[in-house]
Amino acid sequence: GAVVSQHPSWVICKSGTSVKIECRSLDFQATTMFWYRQFPKQSLMLMATSNEGSKATYEQGVEKDKFLINHASLTLSTLTVTSAHPEDSSFYICSARAPGGETQYFGPGTRLLVL
Amino acid sequence: KNEVEQSPQNLTAQEGEFITINCSYSVGISALHWLQQHPGGGIVSLFMLSSGKKKHGRLIATINIQEKHSSLHITASHPRDSAVYICAVLSQGNLIFGKGTKLSVKP
Repeated sequence: GAVVSQHPSWVICKSGTSVKIECRSLDFQATTMFWYRQFPKQSLMLMATSNEGSKATYEQGVEKDKFLINHASLTLSTLTVTSAHPEDSSFYICSARAPGGETQYFGPGTRLLVL
Repeated sequence: KNEVEQSPQNLTAQEGEFITINCSYSVGISALHWLQQHPGGGIVSLFMLSSGKKKHGRLIATINIQEKHSSLHITASHPRDSAVYICAVLSQGNLIFGKGTKLSVKP
């Protein structure tokens, strides 16, 4: 089946630094990619929807200047957490959807810990 | 009230038992997903269905569109089935997630 990869799988950083997370669709072209955040024992929360070549659509309450999303190609989307703070510590998951399909493929997630 | 409700929240079973996880939703949908999330966090898509029934190995998923209800069954459960099972509905282009059912299968 289709594969979505994320890098890094986990990252620890100091407060105030920026962290970039990459999401790649390995064997299909993803016109739409989604970024989710998951707190412990909670459901996935959609942060933003990213379409290749256009600006991301952010969900209410998600700061677009804090969580920068770039979907530069049909196989790569990046999420940059700028000036990270401890409250940004979470599990970030990306998901990709192929054109014309309803199936979403999920990445393995990136665990971020901000000290 | 959540748009996607799962039951039970937690489930403990003995190896070999037949397991059923339920999902009810209140919105119009074009498809329903069953996902599996292991303790490490990665999510695997088990099924996507919009009608009827699908089977893959020991897993069976059914959906009743009229009743807005879906079930995930696991036959001959095994400890490696221990995970969180998440129901997600695709509504107007967006996935809406249930809170998940944590399954523990004891040997």
